[in-house]
Amino acid sequence: DIQMTQSPSSVSASVGDRVTITCRASQGISSWLAWYQQKPGKAPKLLIYAASSLQSGVPSRFSGSGSGTDFTLTISSLQPEDFATYYCQQANSFPPTFGQGTKLEIK
Amino acid sequence: EVQLVESGGGLVQPGGSLRLSCAASGFTFSSYWMSWVRQAPGKGLEWVANIKQDGSEKYYVDSVKGRFTISRDNAKNSLYLQMNSLRAEDTAVYYCARAGGGSIPDWFDPWGQGTLVTVSS
Repeated sequence: DIQMTQSPSSVSASVGDRVTITCRASQGISSWLAWYQQKPGKAPKLLIYAASSLQSGVPSRFSGSGSGTDFTLTISSLQPEDFATYYCQQANSFPPTFGQGTKLEIK
Repeated sequence: EVQLVESGGGLVQPGGSLRLSCAASGFTFSSYWMSWVRQAPGKGLEWVANIKQDGSEKYYVDSVKGRFTISRDNAKNSLYLQMNSLRAEDTAVYYCARAGGGSIPDWFDPWGQGTLVTVSS
């Protein structure tokens, strides 16, 4: 199975900050990567697919980049509603696997 | 509006069975792969099972093979997960998710609200 490793596991930031979360795959996955946002008690929500494509309705302050094994999710200017846990997921090969999550907390 | 609504969760004893359902609306259900993804309390996301548009292909995570069965009824726009021989480690919120309309599954979007399965004596 492909292992997905996110860093950091948690990060504290302030409203208006720029934040970057990294996801590394244990082997190359081309651009078969998605990012999800999950708030407490809620279902995950797709933010980015195919590594860099913004899902419809997602604010443009979210962006994704990378290919192969290294990927990043960037939030350009944090808003209060962005404090949540973020997961990456690879869809290159079976079984689909998720990163362990990055919790974004208010500083 | 695309919507997925799960039901059927609850408390069950170890070794017991439970059947989860997911009602889909707002899209052509028969055109999409569908999946179940679970999340143990305080833990991350774990894919559980996929089923192809016509039900001809089904895939499972190793830990549930032989115990769980995914199925669908395209006439009823419904997805199911039959869970047998349940273990404590199956305790989780189970999400139904749409998994892509192509020949292979890809991203999970959207997700249902989830249904909690608790395996305990």
